[in-house]
Amino acid sequence: QVQLQESGPGLVKPSETLSLTCTVSGDSVSSGSYYWSWIRQPPGKGLEWIGYIYYSGSTNYNPSLKSRVTISVDTSKNQFSLKLSSVTAADSAVYYCARGGAGGYDFFDYWGQGTLVTVSS
Amino acid sequence: DIVMTQSPGSLAVSLGERATINCKSSQSVLYSSSNKNYLAWYQQKPGQPPKLLIYWASTRDSEVPDRFSGSGSGTDFTLTISSLQAEDVAVYYCQQYYSTPYTFGQGTKLEIK
Repeated sequence: QVQLQESGPGLVKPSETLSLTCTVSGDSVSSGSYYWSWIRQPPGKGLEWIGYIYYSGSTNYNPSLKSRVTISVDTSKNQFSLKLSSVTAADSAVYYCARGGAGGYDFFDYWGQGTLVTVSS
Repeated sequence: DIVMTQSPGSLAVSLGERATINCKSSQSVLYSSSNKNYLAWYQQKPGQPPKLLIYWASTRDSEVPDRFSGSGSGTDFTLTISSLQAEDVAVYYCQQYYSTPYTFGQGTKLEIK
């Protein structure tokens, strides 16, 4: 069974960098069949796709966040990570990692449980 | 970006009755070479991540009850729950994966009347 688990600080100060890691089990981030995404959801609001990484290291980011986002992959640990710089209160959200198919199968079939990140001083 | 618009924003349906949720995309999500609509539906219960229900607009994911069905093509799509059960209370989202940035509808909250 594929499982994804987010980890990282739950509180980040304004202007600092949010850093989260997603650990994957039951599948390999080195699989060429999938993209590995980050998605966020502000409390009580809808879903926003942040970006994805492919096993090769190629990335695709939401233009609305592109200047502040970096997604990386560590195949040796079967993990991928998110960094979001210069955060403000508007970046407070539940952050999910998710698996999406490559080659046109880009829906998200497995999700982590999510981790709440609050931006506050 | 492709804008996804869901209606209604909230819906109350009696147990055993039909629930219908609509989703409209600002441009077609039908990929002509494959004749597939790049549209998915998710169910999200409180405190849980979204769960994939339907992809390709009408293909149920594994273990999704057959009371859930999806239809539509191009820019207009519908999620139907044929006979509402208590465990179907949730927020439902549509999502296009035709092009990046992938985008979601704003959600439809489904409750029991």
